Amino acid sequence: GQQVMQIPQYQHVQEGEDFTTYCNSSTTLSNIQWYKQRPGGHPVFLIQLVKSGEVKKQKRLTFQFGEAKKNSSLHITATQTTDVGTYFCAAYSGGGADGLTFGKGTHLIIQP
Amino acid sequence: NAGVTQTPKFQVLKTGQSMTLQCAQDMNHEYMSWYRQDPGMGLRLIHYSVGAGITDQGEVPNGYNVSRSTTEDFPLRLLSAAPSQTSVYFCASSYSGRKPMTYEQYFGPGTRLTVT
Repeated sequence: GQQVMQIPQYQHVQEGEDFTTYCNSSTTLSNIQWYKQRPGGHPVFLIQLVKSGEVKKQKRLTFQFGEAKKNSSLHITATQTTDVGTYFCAAYSGGGADGLTFGKGTHLIIQP
Repeated sequence: NAGVTQTPKFQVLKTGQSMTLQCAQDMNHEYMSWYRQDPGMGLRLIHYSVGAGITDQGEVPNGYNVSRSTTEDFPLRLLSAAPSQTSVYFCASSYSGRKPMTYEQYFGPGTRLTVT
């Protein structure tokens, strides 16, 4: 089945530093979604990217979809303690209702 | 709207016991799915349904059964619990349309299951 690799697994940053997580696939993706899960909580949808080369911004968060639609990134500028959690990418390769494939997530740990 | 609800929140089972994890949504979503989350493994799809009466297997279906008799409910049954099924289980739903996986997934709060 389709696999989505997400790196890094853990990221420690000082509050105010930037953070980036990457998602890579060996196959072309139909779309990619990003979710955030707070400690002890459930995944919450952040955004979806569909077009090749697409860039979307949500305040301090910038999401990119690669030109070949095989990779994506989430960048947070000037992290805050409220950004703590695990960030997941989820992808659908298309061609059938196989469900979303989630990356293993990047745990963001912020030191004040 | 309550969104996606799951019961129970916590459950402890002994090996060999069976139980049903309940999931309900009030958003009239056609697509519903079950995931398990284990440390370092992310979210793995167990079963999914594109509408009432239709179910299909995901990545890790063994040991689990599902049914979808109504649009609102999608219960997950553990037939004979094993310690390997200790996990956090999340139910999710979304609008389906022509491409069900191109819509936002709404997750329930999860059920934390321990099998001893």
